Amino acid sequence: DSGVTQTPKHLITATGQRVTLRCSPRSGDLSVYWYQQSLDQGLQFLIQYYNGEERAKGNILERFSAQQFPDLHSELNLSSLELGDSALYFCASRQGTTNTGELFFGEGSRLTVL
Amino acid sequence: GQQVMQIPQYQHVQEGEDFTTYCNSSTTLSNIQWYKQRPGGHPVFLIQLVKSGEVKKQKRLTFQFGEAKKNSSLHITATQTTDVGTYFCAGRNSGYALNFGKGTSLLVTP
Repeated sequence: DSGVTQTPKHLITATGQRVTLRCSPRSGDLSVYWYQQSLDQGLQFLIQYYNGEERAKGNILERFSAQQFPDLHSELNLSSLELGDSALYFCASRQGTTNTGELFFGEGSRLTVL
Repeated sequence: GQQVMQIPQYQHVQEGEDFTTYCNSSTTLSNIQWYKQRPGGHPVFLIQLVKSGEVKKQKRLTFQFGEAKKNSSLHITATQTTDVGTYFCAGRNSGYALNFGKGTSLLVTP
């Protein structure tokens, strides 16, 4: 158990819909990272937050947005869903303020868009 | 932007054989990390390399960071069935983003 909690574990929805994925980082961790994992693309970095502020942005689509709340949990919002958005979405957290140190991953949220 | 490439994509070995996966970055990295993801699981941190030319060992696993800090390798000696999974390298340049390679999936048959 990494200490990172993601909900829901599985989600099935239709094209055009909107979903919210939630992540609770490890106790004390200020940084939250979101990754998308699909079969052929490995782990794609989406976005990172540190203590409520956006720190880095990767290949995140405009239809996707995220935020980190004062209690440090984070949410990833996916809208106007397309079939290609079906993937495993991982949240990871890290404690420090520097750009080093291991990431602790949650078990992921598997999104299926039909 | 920074890209991290990994080869091979797949590797199938007999138990007891050695295995190596290679990671190359288009830019100089401040550090590189390695993760293992078991089938159906989530990535789990293995190690971080920071210094140019650094070599670290964990039992049968040997990790190297290139002199130019643009490449890295993971070598497993005498693979076991418990080594099955996907091995990812992840590189960070001067920024905060940690970019993963596509991973090398290792299958070990007894």
